Amino acid sequence: IVMTQSPVTLSVSPGERASLSCRASQRVDTNLAWYQQKPGQAPRLLIYAASTRAPGIPGRFSGSGSGTDFTLTISSLQAEDAGIYYCHQYKDWPRETFGQGTKVEI
Amino acid sequence: QVQLVESGGGLVKPGGSLRLSCGASRSRFGDYYISWIRQVPGKGLEWLAFITTDGATTHYSDSVKGRFTVSRDNARNTVFLQMDSLTVGDTAIYYCTSGEGDGSIDYWGRGTLVTVSS
Repeated sequence: IVMTQSPVTLSVSPGERASLSCRASQRVDTNLAWYQQKPGQAPRLLIYAASTRAPGIPGRFSGSGSGTDFTLTISSLQAEDAGIYYCHQYKDWPRETFGQGTKVEI
Repeated sequence: QVQLVESGGGLVKPGGSLRLSCGASRSRFGDYYISWIRQVPGKGLEWLAFITTDGATTHYSDSVKGRFTVSRDNARNTVFLQMDSLTVGDTAIYYCTSGEGDGSIDYWGRGTLVTVSS
């Protein structure tokens, strides 16, 4: 299953809303997660089951979608939200696949 | 929760072998399946291999099948990734990962860098 993310880069001012898209080449139902990665660090789970926030993740992060089209929304961007965001399908688990990432710049 | 720590990365020549280890911090390590994921520096994430909690079942991506072997020793709280016939294209950061069962990845190690170069 091929995951395609858009845009490649997103430049957003602090306090603004950011919307990141992810499209699957086949239906994955809600078997979709989002991760944030900062330089020199491993990815961190933000959202699983398409819309459930992982423990400790701030409420400004939300996920939506099902089937083939998904969105990660950051409602009011903070400086610490800069990084690369990846979507991840696990419908085909353990043969999971990832999107190529969206870089969020503040 | 489980904390994962990879080791064993380094520089190896094309055609060579390397064995990575993934150690865990807790005594119930045997309750966790493990997947290996790699990332070429500055690039995306690629799933490579998976092993069940008891080590009885493994899966591999097409890119490493026949060259990489995953195994585990629950008594030592360790999973291994034996990598043979390495190529320049295998140069990447290798992460050991696991989760709580729904398929998403709750736990990531810090990664270990493997460089394949002559």
